Amino acid sequence: GESVGLHLPTLSVQEGDNSIINCAYSNSASDYFIWYKQESGKGPQFIIDIRSNMDKRQGQRVTVLLNKTVKHLSLQIAATQPGDSAVYFCAEMADKLIFGTGTRLQVFP
Amino acid sequence: SAVISQKPSRDICQRGTSLTIQCQVDSQVTMMFWYRQQPGQSLTLIATANQGSEATYESGFVIDKFPISRPNLTFSTLTVSNMSPEDSSIYLCSVEEGSGRIVETQYFGPGTRLLVL
Repeated sequence: GESVGLHLPTLSVQEGDNSIINCAYSNSASDYFIWYKQESGKGPQFIIDIRSNMDKRQGQRVTVLLNKTVKHLSLQIAATQPGDSAVYFCAEMADKLIFGTGTRLQVFP
Repeated sequence: SAVISQKPSRDICQRGTSLTIQCQVDSQVTMMFWYRQQPGQSLTLIATANQGSEATYESGFVIDKFPISRPNLTFSTLTVSNMSPEDSSIYLCSVEEGSGRIVETQYFGPGTRLLVL
C-alpha cells in the first residue's frame, strides 16, 4: 500500500454521483491554478488548470471553478467512477507552485 | 506532455548513507524541480534545477543535505545525504512544459519511495 493521503480529509461518494472537492488558496497574487490527481504508488497527474482571468473551465467530466474574491478553488467530477478514487491536490502558482493539503476521494459502488 | 522517469522507484537505506535519485525526461526542458512528499502529506518544493547554473533551494533545504546536478536539459539527480529516518519520503521530479503556452504547467515523475532504517 501507499502512505499518501493517510491523514487527509476524505470525501466519500457513490459511483455515478457528482463529486466536489474544495480548496482554499493562500496567495492573492497567484495567477495560475492546477488540479492534480495522485493514485496510490504514483506521482501527481495533471487533471485541469485555470488562469486567474477565468472563473470556470471544463474538461472531460471535470470542471474547475475559481473564486478569486474568497480565494477558493473547486474541482467538480461528474458521474464519479471507481477509477476516480485517489488523492486530489490543488496547486497555486505565483513565483513557484504551492500545493494544498489534498483531499482523498473514495468512490463506493 | 513530457514522459518523466525516475530511478530507483523505491529503496530501503541505512541511516548515515546517501542515495542518489535520477530523473530522466524524454524531451529537453529548461526548468526541473525536486519535491518531497512525506507520509500522508502534500508536496513540498526542495529546489529548482536549471541547466548550467546552481540549483535554487527553498527555505529549510540546503545543498549539503540535498546536492543536485543538472548536467543537461533532459537529466537531473538529487542526492539525499547522510540519511536519517526523517528523510523517509517520496521524492518527486517535476518539469515545466508549456508547448508554446503563455503559462507553463508542471508535470511529475512517478516518484522514488525512500525508507530509511
